[in-house]
Amino acid sequence: DAGVIQSPRHEVTEMGQEVTLRCKPISGHDYLFWYRQTMMRGLELLIYFNNNVPIDDSGMPEDRFSAKMPNASFSTLKIQPSEPRDSAVYFCASSVSRGATGELFFGEGSRLTVL
Amino acid sequence: AQSVAQPEDQVNVAEGNPLTVKCTYSVSGNPYLFWYVQYPNRGLQFLLKYITGDNLVKGSYGFEAEFNKSQTSFHLKKPSALVSDSALYFCAVRDYEDSNYQLIWGAGTKLIIKP
Repeated sequence: DAGVIQSPRHEVTEMGQEVTLRCKPISGHDYLFWYRQTMMRGLELLIYFNNNVPIDDSGMPEDRFSAKMPNASFSTLKIQPSEPRDSAVYFCASSVSRGATGELFFGEGSRLTVL
Repeated sequence: AQSVAQPEDQVNVAEGNPLTVKCTYSVSGNPYLFWYVQYPNRGLQFLLKYITGDNLVKGSYGFEAEFNKSQTSFHLKKPSALVSDSALYFCAVRDYEDSNYQLIWGAGTKLIIKP
């Protein structure tokens, strides 16, 4: 299995531009998570999906952030408009439910720099 | 409130010596406990988990962790450290009774193994 695949690995953009991050979860996994990692705040859960349905988006910072999962093999996280404080590494992770015992499988991350 | 504490920001160990990375938790119900490792510029990787049963859990790369209910701890250990173990380590807990499937993450401990 190829694991969780994220793209792009690196993104440099200017303030005000739209940013779209993409994720392909592991086949057969029914949970998908978007995390943000910064030095200041550590690892933050932004949103997660179960069977393509958003379950909890309370971690999404503000309306500039949106996430979709149109099918079981693809999800996007969009920031519009982007701001310098959005600079971070964004991780996608997937898991199989197994109740609450399943471990998360992370992608390699998308490093976003907003100038 | 649920929480995870990793009291040490950084742990320094000489190669060949035993290592311990500390983790304590607080949940209202029974805990599911996890350790993850993050190498530089990589995503988090699952190391091991405690769900139920034997308090000593063995995981990847020779790591193990001991669940101690009375001390609400789940310390990560390895008998003999390798330079390649240098990385960032995260402890996480999920409350068995939390229907929201939320993982609570520690802030991470940077492990440095010196040759």
